[in-house]
Amino acid sequence: NAGVMQNPRHLVRRRGQEARLRCSPMKGHSHVYWYRQLPEEGLKFMVYLQKENIIDESGMPKERFSAEFPKEGPSILRIQQVVRGDSAAYFCASSNQQETQYFGPGTRLLVL
Amino acid sequence: AQSVTQPDIHITVSEGASLELRCNYSYGATPYLFWYVQSPGQGLQLLLKYFSGDTLVQGIKGFEAEFKRSQSSFNLRKPSVHWSDAAEYFCAVGSPGNQFYFGTGTSLTVIP
Repeated sequence: NAGVMQNPRHLVRRRGQEARLRCSPMKGHSHVYWYRQLPEEGLKFMVYLQKENIIDESGMPKERFSAEFPKEGPSILRIQQVVRGDSAAYFCASSNQQETQYFGPGTRLLVL
Repeated sequence: AQSVTQPDIHITVSEGASLELRCNYSYGATPYLFWYVQSPGQGLQLLLKYFSGDTLVQGIKGFEAEFKRSQSSFNLRKPSVHWSDAAEYFCAVGSPGNQFYFGTGTSLTVIP
């Protein structure tokens, strides 16, 4: 049973470009969470999604950030017009029946 | 407000010595409590969790944690530390269908 998968593992973008981060939850999991980790800090919640629905986006910046979890395919976290402050590790977690969250390996985004 | 406090930013112990990592939380509902471990450049691995029942929970790699409601604490312990335990440790609190709140982490160094 494969764990949570994220790709790419590392992503380099120039300021103003778009970043797309993908997350495939564990088999059987229908709940996906995105977190951001800045250097020397803990994880900060961004958004919680179920298939085709955003349940809680209270942690998402109001501009440039969006997330989706379509009926088919992975969840996508999209960052438009990236800035240097977006450089961070972005982690996806999935859960079943709203219990324990299992984390993927993360995507390290570097904005030049 | 919901929050997790890990008072110790960095801990150094000798291999074979005992370990205790502190975690205090503030949460408005019945808390589900978790400890995760993160190795450099990696994702978060679940060590153990507490939902209800016996307040002393056993996890992987010889770790245990004790939930003390009166102190709002969920401290992680290990009787004898191994060099491979060197990593970042995160305490988290949450409840079903809601985001997790993470502490800022405790970095563990193990001296041979």
